[in-house]
Amino acid sequence: GAGVSQSPRYKVAKRGQDVALRCDPISGHVSLFWYQQALGQGPEFLTYFQNEAQLDKSGLPSDRFFAERPEGSVSTLKIQRTQQEDSAVYLCASSLFGSAEAFFGQGTRLTVV
Amino acid sequence: ELKVEQNPLFLSMQEGKNYTIYCNYSTTSDRLYWYRQDPGKSLESLFVLLSNGAVKQEGRLMASLDTKARLSTLHITAAVHDLSATYFCAVVYIAGGTSYGKLTFGQGTILTVHP
Repeated sequence: GAGVSQSPRYKVAKRGQDVALRCDPISGHVSLFWYQQALGQGPEFLTYFQNEAQLDKSGLPSDRFFAERPEGSVSTLKIQRTQQEDSAVYLCASSLFGSAEAFFGQGTRLTVV
Repeated sequence: ELKVEQNPLFLSMQEGKNYTIYCNYSTTSDRLYWYRQDPGKSLESLFVLLSNGAVKQEGRLMASLDTKARLSTLHITAAVHDLSATYFCAVVYIAGGTSYGKLTFGQGTILTVHP
């Protein structure tokens, strides 16, 4: 596709439910990032992939958060046993290589009720 | 730890007026971005600033970078309603002299332009 695509665009989850958020990066982009944007805040880094390797997961807030990119293209961010504080917009970004400009997807708005 | 601070956080402007948004960051970086975000939308890249003294302009917006002061500014000239949005600066994090593009964002400046 022409840009970074994320799905679903909106997700409502009951507290305790597991969710999976998908990111399709721009074709050929090596680097992939996940960010979390709480309401009224700037995005905060969650994790970084270079191809299929997860090189930095320092921003994942707890062990309930897990991300993968098994074939070096599509990535999935999984949140287990969701809690209300997980409500946020989750943004995915990809870049051609590490230091190149990253392009952001539309985001997935997660609401935990 | 890299920290990025923007001010003001809220800016109400009258059409036709000029104003500046400031972005301070705490440690050395080699790149700074300015983004625009409309409600419910993703981030739109406005400018990337790579070196000390860099200045870029697009329409009514002009961005500059002073790496020695660790300060970037986004200047708005003769504001129009269409500029109403949230503006973020973001700084590339460098660790051990290398960077893979991880961004640290400011809190954002909510700009409202009214008649």
